[in-house]
This record gives sequence, structure tokens and C-alpha cells, in this order.
Amino acid sequence: EPEVTQTPSHQVTQMGQEVILRCVPISNHLYFYWYRQILGQKVEFLVSFYNNEISEKSEIFDDQFSVERPDGSNFTLKIRSTKLEDSAMYFCASRDRRNSNTGELFFGEGSRLTVL
Amino acid sequence: AQSVAQPEDQVNVAEGNPLTVKCTYSVSGNPYLFWYVQYPNRGLQFLLKYITGDNLVKGSYGFEAEFNKSQTSFHLKKPSALVSDSALYFCAVRASNRDDKIIFGKGTRLHILP
Repeated sequence: EPEVTQTPSHQVTQMGQEVILRCVPISNHLYFYWYRQILGQKVEFLVSFYNNEISEKSEIFDDQFSVERPDGSNFTLKIRSTKLEDSAMYFCASRDRRNSNTGELFFGEGSRLTVL
Repeated sequence: AQSVAQPEDQVNVAEGNPLTVKCTYSVSGNPYLFWYVQYPNRGLQFLLKYITGDNLVKGSYGFEAEFNKSQTSFHLKKPSALVSDSALYFCAVRASNRDDKIIFGKGTRLHILP
């Protein structure tokens, strides 16, 4: 069964450093998302991406965050200067366009970011 | 704006008993509703969704959910709980007139007691 894959599974970084989290969505999916979850709590929307541009972003997704789809398979989340409060589990998700907006999101296993 | 409320932080149920995890929602227009499950240190797995039609929808692992438009609810149910059902459950919603994110509730931790 196709799945969303994320790397790294866990990254530890110093405050102020740049971090890039990588995702390979399911191959025929066209909508991509990043969510984050702090300490096993609420899953918060960060950004959605379609047709090589951001569709929507939340208040959390400030100027320190950016997303890219540099090639036909990868979808990345960059945090330019990490803060302590960026420590969280980051989930990538994708959705099949054929289901229109009724389709569910398929999630990866997550990348745990620890900022020291 | 879209929102989801899961009023219970934790639900404890004895194995073999029926379980219910509650969810209410608020959207403008018709809702598309989803349930996801998260096992420890894992991603979110899709369980089931309501788009239109029959108010009772069936999903994975014997779970089902009932859409109630008048009460704006979408409670998750299972007739007979298993210890392996112990996990974190998230309800989520997307407005039918939007084509982007889904919004999650805060989650309900389900403990099935042997």
C-alpha cells in the first residue's frame, strides 16, 4: 500500500539553527500539507500546498517557515531559525485530487524535532 | 470558521463493552467529517469519513460513526471494545465548500481495560 514517508524520524538541533524536514508524498497525490503536534496533544495545521504554491497557511506558519517542492517527489518544510517552542512532531500529509475535496489525508509517521 | 470539539480528554471502557468517543463540529455549510487514530509514536491513521448519504458510516477495525446534523455531532462507536483499541482518537472536519485543510479536535485518549 502506498504511503507517505518522512525523514528524518528525529532531529535534535540548537536554537537558531536551520532545519529542513523532508517528505515524499504518495505518488499520484497533488495536495500536500504540514501539521504539527506538540507533546502528543492537538494536531495543528501549518500549511497546504497545491500546484506549486501555498494554498493556505495558519498563524503558526510565520516568516521563519517555508515549504518547497523542489522536484517531482519531495516536499520540504524549512524552519530558518529554530526556537525552543518549535519542538514538536511534524507530520506531512497528502491527498488525491481525484477525490476532490471529499478525500481524506494520508499522513506520514512524523519527524520529531527537538530544539535545545 | 471551522472547529471541532472533543469534550472528553480520556475515556475508559472495559474490554468487551461498547465504546463511544464524542465529537461535535462547527462549519459554515455542509461538513465533511473524519476520524483518525494515533498509536504511540506513530502517525495518524484514517478510520472513516462522512461525506453524504447514510448517517451511519462504517470504517476500519470495526469502528463506526453516526452523523447527526441537528446536534452537529459525529460520535465514534464500536460495539465491543478490544484492548488493542487503546489509542488517541481525533475527530476532524472540512467544510464542503472548501478545498484545503482539515481541522482536528484536541483528541480523546481511549483506554480499554482488560
